[in-house]
Amino acid sequence: QVQLQESGPGLLKPSETLSLTCTVSDGSISKYYWNWIRQPAGKGLEWIGRIFAFGSTNYNPSLKSRVTMSLDTSKNQVSLKLTSVTAADTAVYYCARIDDAFDMWGQGTMVTVSS
Amino acid sequence: QSALTQPASVSGSPGQSITISCTGTSRDVGNYNLVSWYQQYPGKAPKLLIYDDLKRPSGVSNRFSASKSGNTASLTISGLQADDEADYFCCSYAGSRTFWVFGGGTRLTVL
Repeated sequence: QVQLQESGPGLLKPSETLSLTCTVSDGSISKYYWNWIRQPAGKGLEWIGRIFAFGSTNYNPSLKSRVTMSLDTSKNQVSLKLTSVTAADTAVYYCARIDDAFDMWGQGTMVTVSS
Repeated sequence: QSALTQPASVSGSPGQSITISCTGTSRDVGNYNLVSWYQQYPGKAPKLLIYDDLKRPSGVSNRFSASKSGNTASLTISGLQADDEADYFCCSYAGSRTFWVFGGGTRLTVL
């Protein structure tokens, strides 16, 4: 069964750029849409965006100006960049595959924005 | 503030049934047959329970069922068990501009 693993810095200062990577364990990266979803502590989930093979992307309108997603099929990796972070971007960040729904999730990685 | 509205908490005794509602609008829940439900234990990733409004993935217990009427979707858990105690989130497709919206989550307590 495919596994997803997020990685990246856990602590950022305000105005810095958040960079996360999601590694997909099998070779299915070209077959699905891959999503980033975040969850502030004790709160609900927020969809950030998705990317498909060949680089087709869609982003949450509320984050679109700060988000870039990319995909490296040779490394089976999906990447997320979020610029100009603030404390409001503090959350657990998940990557998730979507088929009929978000059917596979990574374990999540905590990102804290603090000066 | 989440796009979809769920009760903050529900509770029930072992063996009972509970229902969690998820209210959206005609632009999301009411317009597409693409509501999904997720179970999340503390510190863990969400797990898919229901997709396409009422379908269960293989491996998910048939104690979990779902329905939808208009702009409100519902998840029912029957025969409550202690390990059903978790957070439950709904999600809906919301069109090609907004894409996916979530509810704020419902904490289920098994008494």
